[in-house]
Amino acid sequence: EAQVTQNPRYLITVTGKKLTVTCSQNMNHEYMSWYRQDPGLGLRQIYYSMNVEVTDKGDVPEGYKVSRKEKRNFPLILESPSPNQTSLYFCASSLSQGSYEQYFGPGTRLTVT
Amino acid sequence: GENVEQHPSTLSVQEGDSAVIKCTYSDSASNYFPWYKQELGKGPQLIIDIRSNVGEKKDQRIAVTLNKTAKHFSLHITETQPEDSAVYFCAATNDYKLSFGAGTTVTVRA
Repeated sequence: EAQVTQNPRYLITVTGKKLTVTCSQNMNHEYMSWYRQDPGLGLRQIYYSMNVEVTDKGDVPEGYKVSRKEKRNFPLILESPSPNQTSLYFCASSLSQGSYEQYFGPGTRLTVT
Repeated sequence: GENVEQHPSTLSVQEGDSAVIKCTYSDSASNYFPWYKQELGKGPQLIIDIRSNVGEKKDQRIAVTLNKTAKHFSLHITETQPEDSAVYFCAATNDYKLSFGAGTTVTVRA
């Protein structure tokens, strides 16, 4: 089954404790992206990757890091989480950048206290 | 960059009635306009899309219209059913970056 998986689905952590949210896709997609969803703000892009070892900032990259060492995986790293990073996070992938359908993961609900 | 505005933020309709969600975009170079549906506890899923060389597209009970001159596009859902209750996002891209609207929460009343 074609899918994007994220782990964990729920995470409660404390300020400053490094965490990683994993994302994996099995569709051999070149393009992968991370979004955060906040009430009234829709989906805002954090980082994206056009291919292995190619990443770039989205609209709200501050406080986040990513890496793309393999085509299928695109982890999101919060090195020193803060309460304003409490949000719902989605990973997505598509065949390529641009006008292609994006497939979203199920989401990760992160709470930073 | 692209700015996508979406209205209304919430929409409550009687089952069987129609629902309309409207979006405007700022970048005249945008050429692809998808609509995503997000059910509770799930990630968004593409339900319909339209490209800039087309004015209207229909798929069963949903349709999308595009007015390039006015830079706005709309989603129309006819004969609404309880399973249409969800959050809907419009988006626009110029082949470089996909920008989303803020979302519309649609509630279908039985």
